[in-house]
Amino acid sequence: GNSVTQMEGPVTLSEEAFLTINCTYTATGYPSLFWYVQYPGEGLQLLLKATKADDKGSNKGFEATYRKETTSFHLEKGSVQVSDSAVYFCALSGYQAGTALIFGKGTTLSVSS
Amino acid sequence: ETGVTQTPRHLVMGMTNKKSLKCEQHLGHNAMYWYKQSAKKPLELMFVYNFKEQTENNSVPSRFSPECPNSSHLFLHLHTLQPEDSALYLCASSQEDRLAGANEQFFGPGTRLTVL
Repeated sequence: GNSVTQMEGPVTLSEEAFLTINCTYTATGYPSLFWYVQYPGEGLQLLLKATKADDKGSNKGFEATYRKETTSFHLEKGSVQVSDSAVYFCALSGYQAGTALIFGKGTTLSVSS
Repeated sequence: ETGVTQTPRHLVMGMTNKKSLKCEQHLGHNAMYWYKQSAKKPLELMFVYNFKEQTENNSVPSRFSPECPNSSHLFLHLHTLQPEDSALYLCASSQEDRLAGANEQFFGPGTRLTVL
């Protein structure tokens, strides 16, 4: 079945460091891929998405490219800020409408000044 | 109100109480979801309502009972809960097309539930 694997956290970085959070997936068909972010005390927010192979999703300085050949959707940011401290979830869509997204376990990012 | 709202934001209840969580989406979506988020299992899908019909129930104990009276509202009725049910309960909605795959979901802020 479909599944998502994220790198274990926590990830601890200094401000302005480069960020990579790895995400790989197993899926039948051609799912859409998502990154969600959860700030402390809040629900999940969609950060970016990609709907087909080689698409690049981007938002707020974050980027991720849908790589079908490596079944990956790694999240990157060139220069993190303290305000980026949060939990990041990789997710993929089911192939059927209304089957809900499949989420990874989440990676906690902590950025210090 | 915009997006997905949930009430209450915090709830403390005893094991013999009966309470309900409410979710409302103002996005015109046709699918709604309940998730449980705890330290041990980050995101567990509980229930899915698609076009107002329950399409998924992930082996959730009967002490959790969902209700979806219309496409904008979703409830989670709670009774005789256990301390291990303490968690953040998240509601989400999405606009689904029967001919396409699942779309992005929009989440509410969650209800922090503590069972004593």
